[in-house]
Amino acid sequence: GIQVEQSPPDLILQEGANSTLRCNFSDSVNNLQWFHQNPWGQLINLFYIPSGTKQNGRLSATTVATERYSLLYISSSQTTDSGVYFCAVELSGGSYIPTFGRGTSLIVHP
Amino acid sequence: EAGVAQSPRYKIIEKRQSVAFWCNPISGHATLYWYQQILGQGPKLLIQFQNNGVVDDSQLPKDRFSAERLKGVDSTLKIQPAKLEDSAVYLCASSPLMARGEQYFGPGTRLTVT
Repeated sequence: GIQVEQSPPDLILQEGANSTLRCNFSDSVNNLQWFHQNPWGQLINLFYIPSGTKQNGRLSATTVATERYSLLYISSSQTTDSGVYFCAVELSGGSYIPTFGRGTSLIVHP
Repeated sequence: EAGVAQSPRYKIIEKRQSVAFWCNPISGHATLYWYQQILGQGPKLLIQFQNNGVVDDSQLPKDRFSAERLKGVDSTLKIQPAKLEDSAVYLCASSPLMARGEQYFGPGTRLTVT
């Protein structure tokens, strides 16, 4: 099956810092989503981005499908950004099995 | 628009007992997913429905897990008998389109098997 690797596994920041999270995948994909899992366990959609670049406030994401990676940028981080960030991909070619990476755990200190 | 609803939110059972989880997807969403998330890992797909048909259940331990989606709306996931290693959060998600849709997750059910 498809392999999804996220880096770094852990990240600790001071409030106001910027960060880049990476998601590498081993095969061509139809779908790619970024999620934030808050400390209460709720998975929140950040971006649906199988290709290209999107921005939403302090967050932006870029997927380069031909090179099999996606990046999530967090600017001017806040304590509420703490949690685990997951990317999830769906293999192209008819296999409808969403596969998640192991996530990046982010802690933002005040 | 109401989100994905799940119940119960928490459940504690002893091993070898049975348990059932319920999910109500976002209205109009054709695709429904059940995931298992073990502490420290990403969610793992157990089963995916399109309306009331199964799209994929290759990762569902069918000797003890079962799921159904009657009438293509609500869904239940059952474990019988439970094992210690089934302790996890069970997440339900729905999507308006298969393959190219965005998934929306419910709050999950945290299961502890003692």
